[in-house]
Amino acid sequence: GEDVEQSLFLSVREGDSSVINCTYTDSSSTYLYWYKQEPGAGLQLLTYIFSNMDMKQDQRLTVLLNKKDKHLSLRIADTQTGDSAIYFCAESPNNTNAGKSTFGDGTTLTVKP
Amino acid sequence: GAVVSQHPSRVICKSGTSVKIECRSLDFQATTMFWYRQFPKKSLMLMATSNEGSKATYEQGVEKDKFLINHASLTLSTLTVTSAHPEDSSFYICSAHILSGGLAKNIQYFGAGTRLSVL
Repeated sequence: GEDVEQSLFLSVREGDSSVINCTYTDSSSTYLYWYKQEPGAGLQLLTYIFSNMDMKQDQRLTVLLNKKDKHLSLRIADTQTGDSAIYFCAESPNNTNAGKSTFGDGTTLTVKP
Repeated sequence: GAVVSQHPSRVICKSGTSVKIECRSLDFQATTMFWYRQFPKKSLMLMATSNEGSKATYEQGVEKDKFLINHASLTLSTLTVTSAHPEDSSFYICSAHILSGGLAKNIQYFGAGTRLSVL
C-alpha cells in the first residue's frame, strides 16, 4: 500500500530555517499536504500542493515537490518557538477523497531559544 | 478557513459505559466526515468515513458495532464508543471534507480532538 515517511525529530535554533522532509511511494498522488499538530490539539492544515506544481510559497512557508524522487519538503523561514510542534506530511491519491490521505508518522520540531 | 468543532475535548469514563463524540462543521456543509484515532507519538489511523444520509464506511480491522457512527445532517457526525474498555483509551480526531471546484480544493479540516480515558 501507500507509504509516507518522515524523519521523527528536528531541532533548530530560533531564527534559523527549518526543513522537514517527506518521501512517499504512491506515484498517483494528486495532493500533498503539510499539517501542524500542537500538544493535545487536532491537526491544522498549513499548506498543500498539487502534484503538477514544483513549489509553493506562503509567507514563511515554502513547499518543494520533486515528483521524480517522490520527495516533499517544508521549509519554515525564521523559525520561532511557537513553531515547535509535530508536522505531518500526507498524500491523497485522487482529487475526490482527501479522507483517504496517507499520513506520515510526523516530525517533532523543537525550536530552541 | 473552515471551522470544525469537536465535543467533548476530554472525557473520562468507567469501563463498560458508552461515550458519544460530536463533530460539527460550523460554517460549511460536509457530506463527508472522517474519524481518526491517534496513539501517543503516532500518526493518525483512519477509522471510518462518515457519509451524510448513508452508512459509514469502516476501515479494515475497525469494529462497526463498537464504534457507531451517525451522520444525520450535513453539519454533524457523531462517533459513539460503545461499552468502552481501557484499550479504547486514545485521542480521537474528526475531520470534514471540502471538495470544491474539482481540482480546485480537496481539503480536510480537523476538529481539536477528544481525549478518551477509560478507567
